Amino acid sequence: ELKVEQNPLFLSMQEGKNYTIYCNYSTTSDRLYWYRQDPGKSLESLFVLLSNGAVKQEGRLMASLDTKARLSTLHITAAVHDLSATYFCAVDHSGAGSYQLTFGKGTKLSVIP
Amino acid sequence: SAVISQKPSRDICQRGTSLTIQCQVDSQVTMMFWYRQQPGQSLTLIATANQGSEATYESGFVIDKFPISRPNLTFSTLTVSNMSPEDSSIYLCSVRAGGLEKLFFGSGTQLSVL
Repeated sequence: ELKVEQNPLFLSMQEGKNYTIYCNYSTTSDRLYWYRQDPGKSLESLFVLLSNGAVKQEGRLMASLDTKARLSTLHITAAVHDLSATYFCAVDHSGAGSYQLTFGKGTKLSVIP
Repeated sequence: SAVISQKPSRDICQRGTSLTIQCQVDSQVTMMFWYRQQPGQSLTLIATANQGSEATYESGFVIDKFPISRPNLTFSTLTVSNMSPEDSSIYLCSVRAGGLEKLFFGSGTQLSVL
């Protein structure tokens, strides 16, 4: 059974600081997704990582994937309050394009002034 | 991208009743998925509903409890049957659209069972 572990589960950080969220998964997969969820809202797709060594950046967020280590990271640079949300990583069940996702528990990020 | 509409957005239901949730997509999609998000928790895949085939259910979910219809390439329904308070969750549909690798999520249906 595929397990996806995120840490930390809660993160309080000051504006302007950098931090990294980690996502480990238990079986082989080369497809990893990052989503953002605001309170009471649905999920917004941030990144799709499709191969070992993939790196994607959007604004203050950068995601990377190491399939050999079964690890993805979401790096936050110079955090701002608008980044406060819950961030989920998710892994494709079969790693072969089934698009059936197993989600981590989420990291609730609070950016404080 | 894809615009996904879910109805209802929220409902409060009595124990033992059933609720049907609708998911409408603004484009034709082959792959559609239903997820559950229990309060304060992560998302769990309930089933995959591809047009032209029977829905396939994940471990712990059964067709009698969560029957799914997929009559065409833009629409699906999920029914939560014989509800109990443990079914109180947000239910979301998700699609892969336009050959993209992204998966898009609907706005969700927040269900409370009394």
